[in-house]
Amino acid sequence: EVQLVESGGGLVKPGGSLRLSCAPSRFTVRNAWMSWVRQAPGKGLEWVGRIKSKTDGGTTDYAAPVKGRFTISTDDSKNTLYLQMNSLKTEDTAVYYCTTNQGNFDWFNWFDPWGQGTLVTVSS
Amino acid sequence: QSVLTQPPSVSGAPGQRVTISCTGSSSNIGAGYDVHWYQQLPGTAPKLLIYGNSNRPSGVPDRFSGSKSGTSASLAITGLQAEDEADYYCQSYDSSLRGYVFGTGTKVTVL
Repeated sequence: EVQLVESGGGLVKPGGSLRLSCAPSRFTVRNAWMSWVRQAPGKGLEWVGRIKSKTDGGTTDYAAPVKGRFTISTDDSKNTLYLQMNSLKTEDTAVYYCTTNQGNFDWFNWFDPWGQGTLVTVSS
Repeated sequence: QSVLTQPPSVSGAPGQRVTISCTGSSSNIGAGYDVHWYQQLPGTAPKLLIYGNSNRPSGVPDRFSGSKSGTSASLAITGLQAEDEADYYCQSYDSSLRGYVFGTGTKVTVL
């Protein structure tokens, strides 16, 4: 069974930075399209951004609320996906999930599997 | 705010059939983008339930079915069971927002 394990969540002050990690088992991040999805306390799911596989160019796309502040990257040597979050705002408080994009056609993707999530709290 | 609208809650007795609607627009579902569904049990991560409008991953009971028509999609649960109590989300792509979008979410309660 494929598993994704996130880490790096915690409490950070507004304006601060935090980096989340996601380590998959049974596949390499180099060959996968992956996304981050977040869920504010008591709220619904919100897509944050994605990275294409290295073989498909490794390009990234972001949702408007985080564009310019968040950066998705991978480290092939550590087989790890990252989400670098800068200029954090209180509204970024959420559980952050990493997930794998599935499907053969761009933007027709679905997400499977999902990690267990890591909580990020932005508060002074 | 989400561009895919779902009813906040639906309920039914064990064994009954319930449906959850997911209403979009011409920039997402109506543009032909697929709809996918997720189940989120309390305190857990979402789990894929339906992909490509109507396909069930291995291990998902055939009590769950999906359909899509025009600018909307639906998830049906037949033979409702207590273990189906969860939040359900639809997901698609929006060409105006240039990103994946989720529905507002629906809480299913088994009476």
